[in-house]
Amino acid sequence: DARVTQTPRHKVTEMGQEVTMRCQPILGHNTVFWYRQTMMQGLELLAYFRNRAPLDDSGMPKDRFSAEMPDATLATLKIQPSEPRDSAVYFCASGLGGSQGANVLTFGAGSRLTVL
Amino acid sequence: QQQVKQSPQSLIVQKGGISIINCAYENTAFDYFPWYQQFPGKGPALLIAIRPDVSEKKEGRFTISFNKSAKQFSLHIMDSQPGDSATYFCAAPSGSARQLTFGSGTQLTVLP
Repeated sequence: DARVTQTPRHKVTEMGQEVTMRCQPILGHNTVFWYRQTMMQGLELLAYFRNRAPLDDSGMPKDRFSAEMPDATLATLKIQPSEPRDSAVYFCASGLGGSQGANVLTFGAGSRLTVL
Repeated sequence: QQQVKQSPQSLIVQKGGISIINCAYENTAFDYFPWYQQFPGKGPALLIAIRPDVSEKKEGRFTISFNKSAKQFSLHIMDSQPGDSATYFCAAPSGSARQLTFGSGTQLTVLP
């Protein structure tokens, strides 16, 4: 059963520290999305890639967040420096871009971040 | 920018009853409109999705009704079971990458 793998599952860190979250999309999927989930804001789109190229990261605070796809099997989301308001669950999702129905995404289990 | 409004925020249904969750979207889109189910501590999982040129899709106890002219779609869960207790999200596509904009979620509780 193909799945999106995210690490770490849980991370507790102190304000000001760097945090890196990793995602392995489903093999063959060429779109990758990063979402953030909080009680107040729900599921917010942070950034997305197609064929490893960043298409839009307007949902991210640019001064502290960065997203990359160094290769087809790895996507990263980095926060530097982290702040308490970044505490949330971060989800990676992948999909088959390019055809109708390809927008239906498969989500990972999420990385729960707590910034003290 | 796509906007999606989902209601109700929470829903309590007796076992065997029908659960109905509604969503409204703003911008016309030509890709699938999915519903996701999320259990605590898990990521959202695809439940069912519908093409915008179809008015209804049924998979087991789950049915999506789609009203393109009104820009509304709804999820019906027939014969609701306690195991259906979860948070449900609708989503609408937009943009060149057909990225999904999610509704705010509905927390469904099915009483035994």
